[in-house]
Amino acid sequence: SQQGEEDPQALSIQEGENATMNCSYKTSINNLQWYRQNSGRGLVHLILIRSNEREKHSGRLRVTLDTSKKSSSLLITASRAADTASYFCATDAERGTSYGKLTFGQGTILTVHP
Amino acid sequence: DSGVTQTPKHLITATGQRVTLRCSPRSGDLSVYWYQQSLDQGLQFLIQYYNGEERAKGNILERFSAQQFPDLHSELNLSSLELGDSALYFCASSHPGLAGGRAGELFFGEGSRLTVL
Repeated sequence: SQQGEEDPQALSIQEGENATMNCSYKTSINNLQWYRQNSGRGLVHLILIRSNEREKHSGRLRVTLDTSKKSSSLLITASRAADTASYFCATDAERGTSYGKLTFGQGTILTVHP
Repeated sequence: DSGVTQTPKHLITATGQRVTLRCSPRSGDLSVYWYQQSLDQGLQFLIQYYNGEERAKGNILERFSAQQFPDLHSELNLSSLELGDSALYFCASSHPGLAGGRAGELFFGEGSRLTVL
């Protein structure tokens, strides 16, 4: 079953614009991660935010986490055509050495037009 | 390049057959995870191994089995294949000993695309 639900399912923007994707989840988590997947390729880790963190930045990426609302958002600023991909949130609700048993959302398909 | 190697990249087989997917984790990573990605189910966690031992199990069918060998590579065996088993199977690895913000990050291979006809 999917823990995370992402919104929107698809997003189409122009180069230079910002893209915001949202993720909601159901249970308590250790951390929430965002991954990117180019069509038919493997997933690439973008950023991890822990349950005790509220905001995190990495380059053009900004992630927020609201554990009271069980939601997260990923903001990509100044988007580029190369950012075109599917973006997935994934929650890690396990403790100890079971890190990595991630539950993924259905993903947001981002298309950035040149 | 994530450093995780999966073979074969593509596999086409018939219903009822058995296949083996292979994964070599990143050097030094002790944990291997298998995920299945399909259009209807999305990305589903199947199973995790840590240093040769099964650590966590997800939505893995009884027809599927996996193991991690002493050299830390892993194999996922799929038997009595059905049409619905057609999917992209990903292997990922991680090092649970990573400290700070890196703990929990997974490194994914490029996947093995299985088509059952």
